[in-house]
Amino acid sequence: GESVGLHLPTLSVQEGDNSIINCAYSNSASDYFIWYKQESGKGPQFIIDIRSNMDKRQGQRVTVLLNKTVKHLSLQIAATQPGDSAVYFCAENNRRGGADGLTFGKGTHLIIQP
Amino acid sequence: NAGVTQTPKFRILKIGQSMTLQCAQDMNHNYMYWYRQDPGMGLKLIYYSVGAGITDKGEVPNGYNVSRSTTEDFPLRLELAAPSQTSVYFCASSNSRDSVGYTFGSGTRLTVV
Repeated sequence: GESVGLHLPTLSVQEGDNSIINCAYSNSASDYFIWYKQESGKGPQFIIDIRSNMDKRQGQRVTVLLNKTVKHLSLQIAATQPGDSAVYFCAENNRRGGADGLTFGKGTHLIIQP
Repeated sequence: NAGVTQTPKFRILKIGQSMTLQCAQDMNHNYMYWYRQDPGMGLKLIYYSVGAGITDKGEVPNGYNVSRSTTEDFPLRLELAAPSQTSVYFCASSNSRDSVGYTFGSGTRLTVV
């Protein structure tokens, strides 16, 4: 099954509100997590990352929180704008069996209501 | 810099045909990856390369082949296309295993009929 999964497939928020997108992971050995934004017809775009030795990291209007105890990752977007409408993926590094590359969750579609 | 360039953007193949999806990056990244994305799903790793001349299988390599003769190029080959290979294919690169995210191309939408 999926190592990285998201709780909600679709999230609708009002423009200007804050949004929180959640992600659960199962590989306790993962030490690096990334959030990507994918707009329609485009490739994923890096938003923010966090290493397992941290529990919070902030960027411009975005904050990632990592709770290793419950293996939970969240992305907070402050004051959402229409341009934030996209599918958001969390990803973890994948070192199992020596394979490289990131493991992606299914994604959450964020819809910004005017 | 162009980043990661994928061609073609769209392609329709008949069952049993073959094709090569091209991927080129101009950032001198050592690591390159091929992912496929099925509708409503996350990306699954097909193959990856840690440098010229080195390739390795990812999670879903069956039905695909890759080569890495140069740092810049990482083509993905489908030898006998099957409907199950209908997907959007993304190429990505990074300058290390734990670099700050990957840079993705814009994708190739492939339909096998």
